[in-house]
Amino acid sequence: SAVISQKPSRDICQRGTSLTIQCQVDSQVTMMFWYRQQPGQSLTLIATANQGSEATYESGFVIDKFPISRPNLTFSTLTVSNMSPEDSSIYLCSVGEGAVNEQYFGPGTRLTVT
Amino acid sequence: AQTVTQSQPEMSVQEAETVTLSCTYDTSESNYYLFWYKQPPSRQMILVIRQEAYKQQNATENRFSVNFQKAAKSFSLKISDSQLGDTAMYFCAFMKPLNQGAQKLVFGQGTRLTINP
Repeated sequence: SAVISQKPSRDICQRGTSLTIQCQVDSQVTMMFWYRQQPGQSLTLIATANQGSEATYESGFVIDKFPISRPNLTFSTLTVSNMSPEDSSIYLCSVGEGAVNEQYFGPGTRLTVT
Repeated sequence: AQTVTQSQPEMSVQEAETVTLSCTYDTSESNYYLFWYKQPPSRQMILVIRQEAYKQQNATENRFSVNFQKAAKSFSLKISDSQLGDTAMYFCAFMKPLNQGAQKLVFGQGTRLTINP
């Protein structure tokens, strides 16, 4: 499976600021995904990012709050804008590949908003 | 909309024992995929095993196997000869095929598994 890296691995940010999370893949992939995992919770899909098209957001997530870029087939960014303590979560990117386009995950970014 | 339910928030077994984690799901689709993911304290999500709904044979990967009951919409994970490194949060997940729309993983709430020495 693809090797996926994320930067930063963790950060502590002040409310009202923004943080951009990077996701890098060692091979070209069509589909990339961004998930949020709130403390002690399961994962929820934020959006699907395909190269060459606008990201598709899930209900409850909006582009103004979580803008996503997908400039090429190996890279994507997720920005968490105007942060509040409720945004404290682990943010994970994943890529779809394999026989059934199963998803493989990056190591995640632990964000704490104070 | 699809839902996935894991009814066991926590489980604990002794090393070398066999343990079964439960998962049920709800869908009106006839073709789909089911997965078990493992998330150790390092937080890296690791794909453990997958099952295609159109396959009757249960998937196996070394010490990991599933019991897939399509009619009952049940998908349990059995870990044989459990090891300390199996200690992790385990998530059951559902996904539709690519030709049926957005490939969104729908996760259950997770089961925290502890393997004791």
